[in-house]
Amino acid sequence: DAGITQSPRHKVTETGTPVTLRCHQTENHRYMYWYRQDPGHGLRLIHYSYGVKDTDKGEVSDGYSVSRSKTEDFLLTLESATSSQTSVYFCAISPSQDGYTFGSGTRLTVV
Amino acid sequence: DQQVKQNSPSLSVQEGRISILNCDYTNSMFDYFLWYKKYPAEGPTFLISISSIKDKNEDGRFTVFLNKSAKHLSLHIVPSQPGDSAVYFCAASRTFNAGKSTFGDGTTLTVKP
Repeated sequence: DAGITQSPRHKVTETGTPVTLRCHQTENHRYMYWYRQDPGHGLRLIHYSYGVKDTDKGEVSDGYSVSRSKTEDFLLTLESATSSQTSVYFCAISPSQDGYTFGSGTRLTVV
Repeated sequence: DQQVKQNSPSLSVQEGRISILNCDYTNSMFDYFLWYKKYPAEGPTFLISISSIKDKNEDGRFTVFLNKSAKHLSLHIVPSQPGDSAVYFCAASRTFNAGKSTFGDGTTLTVKP
């Protein structure tokens, strides 16, 4: 299995504070993705990257920014966290046409 | 407009019987379809996929059927086992679209012993 890790696994933060979630892969894959999962909404794409410094928006990108300065790391930043961003965040890589490999997720609570 | 829909939020099946999970899509540009399985507190894991040039794909107890004219796909699990109890997500993508997938809302399958 491709190595993909997310950190932190859990985080509680206050409204208005900045938060950065990290995704790290060890497989040198070009494409990386950030999804959020909410009850009743499945997984929705926030941002994705198709290479170092190459990123683009997904369907729910408002309030989020990303950076990819190295192939192995894809960072998701909430500039000023809001309660609506309480969610479980999943990072994914796409090693083959046979679907994504997902990380274990980060559960973020904004209070 | 939700492009991938799983209209049944939950399904309960007896062990040994068939589980059928359904998925509908609206975007005719989708040409690759996938099913993922998710246990609590874990990331989704890839289960099985099908290309739009096929109408069936099998992998052990799992079979996916695609009806392009109806824009409908289904996942059959035979026989169902208690370990299959999980949330199942249907996803769809377009070739040469940066690998982006659109997911349904998921169906929670419970297999009773």
